[in-house]
Amino acid sequence: AQSVTQLDSQVPVFEEAPVELRCNYSSSVSVYLFWYVQYPNQGLQLLLKYLSGSTLVKGINGFEAEFNKSQTSFHLRKPSVHISDTAEYFCAVSDVKSNFGNEKLTFGTGTRLTIIP
Amino acid sequence: DAGVTQSPTHLIKTRGQQVTLRCSPKSGHDTVSWYQQALGQGPQFIFQYYEEEERQRGNFPDRFSGHQFPNYSSELNVNALLLGDSALYLCASSGGGPNEKLFFGSGTQLSVL
Repeated sequence: AQSVTQLDSQVPVFEEAPVELRCNYSSSVSVYLFWYVQYPNQGLQLLLKYLSGSTLVKGINGFEAEFNKSQTSFHLRKPSVHISDTAEYFCAVSDVKSNFGNEKLTFGTGTRLTIIP
Repeated sequence: DAGVTQSPTHLIKTRGQQVTLRCSPKSGHDTVSWYQQALGQGPQFIFQYYEEEERQRGNFPDRFSGHQFPNYSSELNVNALLLGDSALYLCASSGGGPNEKLFFGSGTQLSVL
């Protein structure tokens, strides 16, 4: 079984300041890791994913995340946020050994990022 | 390219009724997954369809059932609705490979009164 913990339910940040959204996971098997963003009244959009290789992953809209296996973490960061980054952010994992691709995702409860002008 | 489309966008039902939600996958995608997102929660995997068969299932009761058609579109059916079934239901599609990206629709907001 897998679980994902997003430690902060809400994060307010001033515009142009840096931000880090925290994600920890628990799994008995190796996992792939994902960050998704959900804007109001929209579906989920993939920001970035870690499958293998370099532990620092760069995604869209200037976001990046670092996989830390020893701490079972995959924190999301952005050096300078904009008003348009206001949204809900979800961390998710899937089983590496699944024969059926990575469609079966286990999500965290989300972090609401609010940018303060 | 229309992406993943879901219908209807909003739906209101009463307890005990049955509901059908629909999803058309992104062009070229043959695998459809359904998720339930309760208010303030992350999405939870319901099931996945490939080649018109249920391939994987999450921890949802048999009241939740689905179907995939030859054109890869899919339906989610929920019988004997409970108040707790009120949620945003998301459909996602992909090409089905291990590194395929999931594309999500905007969802159907179901309210059970």
